[in-house]
Amino acid sequence: ETGVTQTPRHLVMGMTNKKSLKCEQHLGHNAMYWYKQSAKKPLELMFVYNFKEQTENNSVPSRFSPECPNSSHLFLHLHTLQPEDSALYLCASSQGKVAGAGEQYFGPGTRLTVT
Amino acid sequence: AQSVTQLDSQVPVFEEAPVELRCNYSSSVSVYLFWYVQYPNQGLQLLLKYLSGSTLVKGINGFEAEFNKSQTSFHLRKPSVHISDTAEYFCAVSDRRGGADGLTFGKGTHLIIQP
Repeated sequence: ETGVTQTPRHLVMGMTNKKSLKCEQHLGHNAMYWYKQSAKKPLELMFVYNFKEQTENNSVPSRFSPECPNSSHLFLHLHTLQPEDSALYLCASSQGKVAGAGEQYFGPGTRLTVT
Repeated sequence: AQSVTQLDSQVPVFEEAPVELRCNYSSSVSVYLFWYVQYPNQGLQLLLKYLSGSTLVKGINGFEAEFNKSQTSFHLRKPSVHISDTAEYFCAVSDRRGGADGLTFGKGTHLIIQP
């Protein structure tokens, strides 16, 4: 595997379900990110992890719970979601050492549909 | 706080014609600037970035962009487009803080290449 991988690629879940999205980066990076991409809206930054520590939570509802066990893996745990949470969830990684200088590498995303 | 404006949601262009995709930003601090491309059912791929130095930046696939500080713009250009350039293009900024920075994205511009 190379780059940033995300599983599953597609997920359909009911509002009472609990599921998790997984992201893995094979680039030796130290920072990882979750973004939400909804139709007709800009990509929204959700969470930032730098050296496994959460450094940013962009006012995300508590029904989204991130976990970063090490610098290579990032999870997004989902529970009691709403239909408006349906979107493409993108994971990204970067060097994280120098402010903004390292570009972010994105995974292909997980297409989430909440029914 | 920063914001990014991509005024054109769609830009139709004939094949082999030149194209310019507009991006304006606002920020109270110095920023780094990026252009990403997203092909259907894929994640985002970096086209080019401006960190410092020459205001004309060259990227992949024949694209280039010019940073204009006085007009707070970072427009993307290509002298001759190809059918394969059909995609969504996103302009993004990050501020020059220390550590890992999330990106602030524009809403995107859908480039449509007509034969």
